[in-house]
Order: sequence, then structure tokens, then C-alpha cells
Amino acid sequence: EPEVTQTPSHQVTQMGQEVILRCVPISNHLYFYWYRQILGQKVEFLVSFYNNEISEKSEIFDDQFSVERPDGSNFTLKIRSTKLEDSAMYFCASTGWGEKLFFGSGTQLSVL
Amino acid sequence: KQEVTQIPAALSVPEGENLVLNCSFTDSAIYNLQWFRQDPGKGLTSLLLIQSSQREQTSGRLNASLDKSSGRSTLYIAASQPGDSATYLCAGGTPGGSNYKLTFGKGTLLTVNP
Repeated sequence: EPEVTQTPSHQVTQMGQEVILRCVPISNHLYFYWYRQILGQKVEFLVSFYNNEISEKSEIFDDQFSVERPDGSNFTLKIRSTKLEDSAMYFCASTGWGEKLFFGSGTQLSVL
Repeated sequence: KQEVTQIPAALSVPEGENLVLNCSFTDSAIYNLQWFRQDPGKGLTSLLLIQSSQREQTSGRLNASLDKSSGRSTLYIAASQPGDSATYLCAGGTPGGSNYKLTFGKGTLLTVNP
């Protein structure tokens, strides 16, 4: 079965630093997402992306966050100035119209 | 705003037992419902997707049902095995952006004892 690939699997950064989390969605999918899961909490929607633009974002996704599809295969999440509360597992997902979401294995972000 | 609740939070059963995991949602205008499996520190593996027009889906020993009128879904696991031990997440899809987005429950931690 096709897979969504995320790199790195773990990222440690200092508070205030910029981080970029990378994802390669499934090749024929058109809809892309970022979700996150803080330890012990629910998986939360951050942002959806289609046709090279954000189609919806949650209240968590403030000006410190941005997404980009720099080429035909990668999808990135950038956090401009990380805070301690950004520590979480970040999941990328992709899908076709109305199909099930395929999730990557996640990037564990630790902000020190 | 969609809210998803899963009961029980944890369940421990002996190997071979049939079991049911429960999920309830508040917004009956649900687009679809997905069940996922999550192993510790790992990603989310999609198990079953039920579209809003469907009542159930089956895959191997798994059967998921959807009752929009009561706001409930169940995941039935037959003849449980130790390898089924994981956290099971239910997620309701609601229209969002140009497709849909998922709202997750907190999950049921299943332990199957040999």
C-alpha cells in the first residue's frame, strides 16, 4: 500500500528557533493536511491544503505556522519561532476526494 | 462543532474474546467516520472508513458500524489476538475547506492478554 513519508522522525530544537517538518504525500493525492498530538491528548487538526493554498486552518495555526508545497512531491510545515507548547507529534496526511486519510508515521518535535 | 467521545478509555481482555469499542459524535451531519489504530509512539493506521451513506464496513476480523441518527459508531473485533493490542481512535469527518477534516476521539487503549 502507498505511504506518506515524514522526515525527520525526531526533531529537537531550542525555544525560539525555526523548524521545518517535511512530508512526501502519496503521489496521486490532491488534499494535504497537518495534524498534531500533544502527549496524552487528542489528535488535533491544524491545516488543510489544496491547489497550492490553505483551504482551512484551526485556531492553533497562527502566524507562527506556515505550509508550503515547494515542488510536486514535498509538503512542509514551518514553525517560525518555536515555543515549549509546540512540543508534540506532528502528522502529515493526504487523500483523494472523499477517500480515507492516509497518515505518515509522524515527527516528534521536542522544544527545549 | 464536532465532538467525538470514546468509551471505554481502556479495555483489557483475554485472547480469543470478541469485543466492541464505542464512539459517539455530536454532529449528525457527519461526512464519514474512520477508525484508526495507533501503536505507542507511532503513526495512525487507517482500519476502516464508513461513508455517511453506509451503515457498516468489514475488513477481516473487524467490523465497524455507523448510526448517524443516534450519533454512534462501534468497532467490533472478533477473536482478539495479542497483536491487536494498541490504541484505537475514532474520527468523524466533517466538511472542511475543499474536502473534509477529521475530529478525533481520545481513543481506547486495548490490551489483549495471551
